[in-house]
Amino acid sequence: AQSVTQLDSQVPVFEEAPVELRCNYSSSVSVYLFWYVQYPNQGLQLLLKYLSGSTLVKGINGFEAEFNKSQTSFHLRKPSVHISDTAEYFCAVGSRPNFGNEKLTFGTGTRLTIIP
Amino acid sequence: GAGVSQSPRYKVAKRGQDVALRCDPISGHVSLFWYQQALGQGPEFLTYFQNEAQLDKSGLPSDRFFAERPEGSVSTLKIQRTQQEDSAVYLCASSLAGNEQYFGPGTRLTVT
Repeated sequence: AQSVTQLDSQVPVFEEAPVELRCNYSSSVSVYLFWYVQYPNQGLQLLLKYLSGSTLVKGINGFEAEFNKSQTSFHLRKPSVHISDTAEYFCAVGSRPNFGNEKLTFGTGTRLTIIP
Repeated sequence: GAGVSQSPRYKVAKRGQDVALRCDPISGHVSLFWYQQALGQGPEFLTYFQNEAQLDKSGLPSDRFFAERPEGSVSTLKIQRTQQEDSAVYLCASSLAGNEQYFGPGTRLTVT
């Protein structure tokens, strides 16, 4: 079984300040890791993913995340946030290799609010 | 369009009614997933198709929930005798096997 814990349900940050959204996971097998963003009344958009290789992953909109296997973490960071980054962010884990069913297990989400 | 589409976007049902939610995946995507997202929660897996075969339905909460994908493209999620606890956003996602999932905008179901 897999689980994802997002430690902060809400994170307020001033515009142009750095931000870190925390994610820890639990799994008995090797995993894929993802961060998705959800804007109001919209579906989920992939920000970035870790499949293998370099533990530092760069995604869209200036976001990056670091996979830490020993700490079972995959925290999301951005050095300088903008008003447009206000959204809900979800961390997710998928089993691998498991071609045939790559269902994702999501965390409960972190609401990022940018303060002007 | 090139993305995943879902219809209707919003559905209000009286308790006890049956509803059908439709998902049009990206053309050529083999895998199709349904998720349920309750208010203030992350999406939770319901069921998975590879082409027309339903390979995993372990997340369906009760036998009132039924999903199909008869021709390996469009999928329908049906909920019979809706209950208030069924109120949620239902998300559909598609992917090429082993690759990232692309999500649709969801159907917001409200059961009154």
